[in-house]
Amino acid sequence: GAGVSQSPSNKVTEKGKDVELRCDPISGHTALYWYRQSLGQGLEFLIYFQGNSAPDKSGLPSDRFSAERTGGSVSTLTIQRTQQEDSAVYLCASSLDPYYGYTFGSGTRLTVV
Amino acid sequence: TQLLEQSPQFLSIQEGENLTVYCNSSSVFSSLQWYRQEPGEGPVLLVTVVTGGEVKKLKRLTFQFGDARKDSSLHITAAQPGDTGLYLCAGKTYKYIFGTGTRLKVLA
Repeated sequence: GAGVSQSPSNKVTEKGKDVELRCDPISGHTALYWYRQSLGQGLEFLIYFQGNSAPDKSGLPSDRFSAERTGGSVSTLTIQRTQQEDSAVYLCASSLDPYYGYTFGSGTRLTVV
Repeated sequence: TQLLEQSPQFLSIQEGENLTVYCNSSSVFSSLQWYRQEPGEGPVLLVTVVTGGEVKKLKRLTFQFGDARKDSSLHITAAQPGDTGLYLCAGKTYKYIFGTGTRLKVLA
């Protein structure tokens, strides 16, 4: 597609439920990042993919968080047993060459009630 | 730990004023980007600088990359309410990192 697409745009879930967040990067972009942004805050790094592999998972906050990328394209971020502190905007970004920066999606706003 | 420190953290100014945002690190960056994020949207790439001492202009915005490629600045001339947003610098060393952010509000 023309841009990075994230779905859903908004998700309200009950505490303890699992959620899946999806990112469709720009076609051909091999690098993909997931970030989390709490209200009024900067970007918190979660995970980085190069192709299908994740050389840097150091930002995942706990083992409840996992992510995968298939076919070097679509990525899914899964949060198990959601907690209220997981409420945030989850942003995905992709790039053909990180040297020149990233294109971001509009994010998924996750609210855990 | 690599850090990109931005200053100021918050800035509220009147329409028509000039301002400068700074992005500093102890690391050398092979390239550096500036992004602007508006409420409800993801950050949007404004510019990439790659050469020490480089200056790029984007309408009323002037971006400079430090000679040693460790720091950068963003200068806005005659700020307008549409410039309101979160400004983020980001750079690549062996990994890609974002700055702490500067939240700008321009009052009409």
